[in-house]
Amino acid sequence: DAGVIQSPRHEVTEMGQEVTLRCKPISGHDYLFWYRQTMMRGLELLIYFNNNVPIDDSGMPEDRFSAKMPNASFSTLKIQPSEPRDSAVYFCASSSSQRDIPEQYFGPGTRLTVT
Amino acid sequence: RKEVEQDPGPFNVPEGATVAFNCTYSNSASQSFFWYRQDCRKEPKLLMSVYSSGNEDGRFTAQLNRASQYISLLIRDSKLSDSATYLCVVRHNTDKLIFGTGTRLQVFP
Repeated sequence: DAGVIQSPRHEVTEMGQEVTLRCKPISGHDYLFWYRQTMMRGLELLIYFNNNVPIDDSGMPEDRFSAKMPNASFSTLKIQPSEPRDSAVYFCASSSSQRDIPEQYFGPGTRLTVT
Repeated sequence: RKEVEQDPGPFNVPEGATVAFNCTYSNSASQSFFWYRQDCRKEPKLLMSVYSSGNEDGRFTAQLNRASQYISLLIRDSKLSDSATYLCVVRHNTDKLIFGTGTRLQVFP
């Protein structure tokens, strides 16, 4: 079975540009999570969805960040305009409410560098 | 203060050694506890859940002390392949997981 798929794997962009990160969760999973990881702050939850509906976006740093989940197999995280402090690894993860243990399966991440 | 605190390490240990990591959490309402493992430049993966009575999975033993709000992970007979960052994770009565910043382990020959 395919795991969580993220694209692109690496993104280098200039300050002020729009960045769109993409995620395809594991088929059948009803939860999708977006995280950001930096050396200083570790892994931080940005937003999560249940059945394509955003449940908690309290971790989204500011209005420059937005996330959508138009269907059960696709989600995007957009940063507009990007800033150097947005440089980080962005992970998408999915999980199923049908499992006893709420294990989250992570994608390989998108390494974002904003210059 | 972070909700989940871990010693960042690194812990440098020889093959065959026993090593223990500790983690404290601040929210007494936390309900579930886990250890995740993250290899360098890779994604985190679930290592094991942590149960109140303590649990073992091969060379790995996890313990929970709710009164002290303390979680531990013990690795016996360390292997080179155990080198990674170990993330302590707690869950409240929601679907959110709160990750510690991780403890780095380096096992040398």
